[in-house]
Amino acid sequence: AQSVTQPDIHITVSEGASLELRCNYSYGATPYLFWYVQSPGQGLQLLLKYFSGDTLVQGIKGFEAEFKRSQSSFNLRKPSVHWSDAAEYFCAANFGNEKLTFGTGTRLTIIP
Amino acid sequence: NAGVTQTPKFQVLKTGQSMTLQCAQDMNHNSMYWYRQDPGMGLRLIYYSASEGTTDKGEVPNGYNVSRLNKREFSLRLESAAPSQTSVYFCASSELWDSTTDTQYFGPGTRLTVL
Repeated sequence: AQSVTQPDIHITVSEGASLELRCNYSYGATPYLFWYVQSPGQGLQLLLKYFSGDTLVQGIKGFEAEFKRSQSSFNLRKPSVHWSDAAEYFCAANFGNEKLTFGTGTRLTIIP
Repeated sequence: NAGVTQTPKFQVLKTGQSMTLQCAQDMNHNSMYWYRQDPGMGLRLIYYSASEGTTDKGEVPNGYNVSRLNKREFSLRLESAAPSQTSVYFCASSELWDSTTDTQYFGPGTRLTVL
């Protein structure tokens, strides 16, 4: 079955430290991949998306993600997190059926 | 440009009551969506409207109805609310339905509690 997995429910990092959020998908072909961020009490905002081409994708707010076909992964990274990055992050995929399938989300906590 | 707006922001219902969640977008998008968000389950699609005049069931449509009132507005109705419908509801819109690469834009959500 087509699915998106975010194995980490909750991650805590120190301000200024690097961040990597994991996302894996299950699909026979390469899906279209997205990362969204949800700040407390807000809707979802698109950080970045991958369709084809360069496997390293740059997004807003200093985030980037790398698509690795061999690992069926699309991990989100940021070199140095800020307190304002505390939020919930969702990986999503379109498996060619015009619908988005979301992962269960990873909640990011930043400690001073 | 307000983007996607939703009303109300919060609502408490008693079991069996009905209500309609409103959604509007000002981006001239063709497609609109309703999701529910539950802890540990991510977002699940309830209903969608690929274009004005059409609606289709998503992953979890039971207990809900929708109306695409015009190109801008897409409402979600709970006819007889149940505690299992306690959730956060998000409306979203996108320009095209048949483009797998299209971006969905989300509203701020409605937090619904059914007692």
